Amino acid sequence: EPEVTQTPSHQVTQMGQEVILRCVPISNHLYFYWYRQILGQKVEFLVSFYNNEISEKSEIFDDQFSVERPDGSNFTLKIRSTKLEDSAMYFCASRGGGSGNQPQHFGDGTRLSIL
Amino acid sequence: KQEVTQIPAALSVPEGENLVLNCSFTDSAIYNLQWFRQDPGKGLTSLLLIQSSQREQTSGRLNASLDKSSGRSTLYIAASQPGDSATYLCAVRTGGFKTIFGAGTRLFVKA
Repeated sequence: EPEVTQTPSHQVTQMGQEVILRCVPISNHLYFYWYRQILGQKVEFLVSFYNNEISEKSEIFDDQFSVERPDGSNFTLKIRSTKLEDSAMYFCASRGGGSGNQPQHFGDGTRLSIL
Repeated sequence: KQEVTQIPAALSVPEGENLVLNCSFTDSAIYNLQWFRQDPGKGLTSLLLIQSSQREQTSGRLNASLDKSSGRSTLYIAASQPGDSATYLCAVRTGGFKTIFGAGTRLFVKA
């Protein structure tokens, strides 16, 4: 069964550095998402992306964050000038097109640790 | 602002028991509701998706119901097994693209 893949599985970065999290969505999917889950807390929506632009973003997704689909397969989340509170698990998800009621499929996540 | 609550926060049952997990949401204007399973250190596995116009969905031993007007959904697991031990998450999609998650129910099925 096709799956969403995320790399790296664990990223350790010094505070203030930039980090790029990578995702390869399921190949025929059209909608892409990033979520984060701080340890012990709820999964939180960050951003959705469709047709090469952001379709919706949460209040968490400020100017520090950006997303990009640089080619036909990758979907990236960039965090500029990381802060300690950015430490979390980051999940990528994708969804097929057509009916809006297709389920979202999640990757296994990238654990981001900011030191 | 949409809020999603799941009760109970944790549940421990003996193998073979039938069980119900509850999810409630504050704004009934949802597009759909999805139930996920999350194993420790892993991503989310989609279990069932219920459209706003539907009342229930079934997959194997799982049955999810939706009562949009009262802002409630339940996930029924029949004949529970130790392999069902995981955290179960309920998530509602708003009219746009945002999905709001509950905090989850941690289920432990004892052999």
